[in-house]
Amino acid sequence: DIQMTQSPASLSASLGETVTIQCRASEDIYSGLAWYQQKPGKSPQLLIYGASSLQDGVPSRFSGSGSGTQYSLKISSMQTEDEGVYFCQQGLKYPLTFGSGTKLEIK
Amino acid sequence: QVQLKESGPGLVQPSQTLSLTCTVSGFSLTSYHVSWVRQPPGKGLEWMGVIWTGGSTAYNSLLKSRLSISRDTSKSQVFLKMNSLQTEDTATYYCARVRSSPGVMDAWGQGASVTVSS
Repeated sequence: DIQMTQSPASLSASLGETVTIQCRASEDIYSGLAWYQQKPGKSPQLLIYGASSLQDGVPSRFSGSGSGTQYSLKISSMQTEDEGVYFCQQGLKYPLTFGSGTKLEIK
Repeated sequence: QVQLKESGPGLVQPSQTLSLTCTVSGFSLTSYHVSWVRQPPGKGLEWMGVIWTGGSTAYNSLLKSRLSISRDTSKSQVFLKMNSLQTEDTATYYCARVRSSPGVMDAWGQGASVTVSS
């Protein structure tokens, strides 16, 4: 199975700050990487797929990049509504596997 | 509008079988795969299995011996059955629509909270 290692585990950021979350795969996943946001008591919501494609309706301050085994999610200007937990997930091979999550809070 | 909704019992006794239903609307089960994902309280996401558009299935190897996913396309429903439940199976169970290539879950149900306890 492909292992996904996500960092950091938690992060606090000020309003307007740029935030970056990292995800590393145990093997090349050829940009088969998605990012999800989960708010307390809610289901995960897709933000980014194919490593860098923005899902419809997601604000443009979210962006994804990376290739091979290294990927990142960037929030260009932290907003209050961006608080939550972020997960990466590889979709190249089954079983689909997730990173352990990054809890993002407002400082 | 794409929607998925999980339903089932909130409480299951240890060693018993969990049965959940995912009712979908806004898309066809013959056009999109559907996965089940679970999340223990305060923890991360675990992919459980998938039923593909053709009706075949694939499972997480850790759960394979206990898990079964099936569907009724005429009712737009996907079913999860997992036997021999233990307390560590306490979790919120989600069904999600899966886009192919790569496997991306682009729509999720609201989740069904399941507690395993006597």
